[in-house]
Amino acid sequence: EVQLVESGGGLVRPGRSLRLSCAASGFTFDDFAMHWVRLVPGKGLEWVAGMTWTGTTAHYADSVTGRFTISRDNANNSLYLQMDDLRPEDTALYFCARDRGSEVTISDYWGQGTLVTVSS
Amino acid sequence: IQLTQSPSFLSASIGDRVSITCRASQGITRYLAWYQVRPGKAPTLLIYAASTLRSGVPSRFSGVGSGTDFTLTISSLQPEDFATYYCQHFDTFPYTFGQGTKLEIK
Repeated sequence: EVQLVESGGGLVRPGRSLRLSCAASGFTFDDFAMHWVRLVPGKGLEWVAGMTWTGTTAHYADSVTGRFTISRDNANNSLYLQMDDLRPEDTALYFCARDRGSEVTISDYWGQGTLVTVSS
Repeated sequence: IQLTQSPSFLSASIGDRVSITCRASQGITRYLAWYQVRPGKAPTLLIYAASTLRSGVPSRFSGVGSGTDFTLTISSLQPEDFATYYCQHFDTFPYTFGQGTKLEIK
């Protein structure tokens, strides 16, 4: 069974940093691209970032480019999201999601999410 | 690429047939997926490549469209279908979602 478990969320002040983690199990992690997607209160889903199976190519939403960095550790079946210079509009439930294949397309399995609140 | 869903809210009864549309600001061929989000649950992929039903998704869900206009149809609403639905394109980066359609019980 595919399982994705996010961690690392919390309350953080604007301008500070946070690192999210996602522990994957139940599938061959390095066969699949991975994504971060967020559910923004009152606004809906927003695709944040995606990374290919090799970890060599990453893509980002315009709203986070230059501030967020996606990475993965295939040896430890883990996905990460380094979030710097956080803003109140980054407040959301952040989901780790598995792609249907090895390139960055769409997500077929999602975790339960970790909540990030950016507020002074 | 902007995706515009309509309607934003939809009220319907068990057994009804409902449709949700998603319009892209430019052509995306068939690079479109539909997701269901229930409160407190992880999103679920329903349809990808505009019309391909994901394995295990009930056949009452269907999708059509190409280019800029797409439609998700639920043929006979069941209690578990009352949720929020999103379209997402995967044509060019950055990928984007529509604003969502909240389906409520009448």
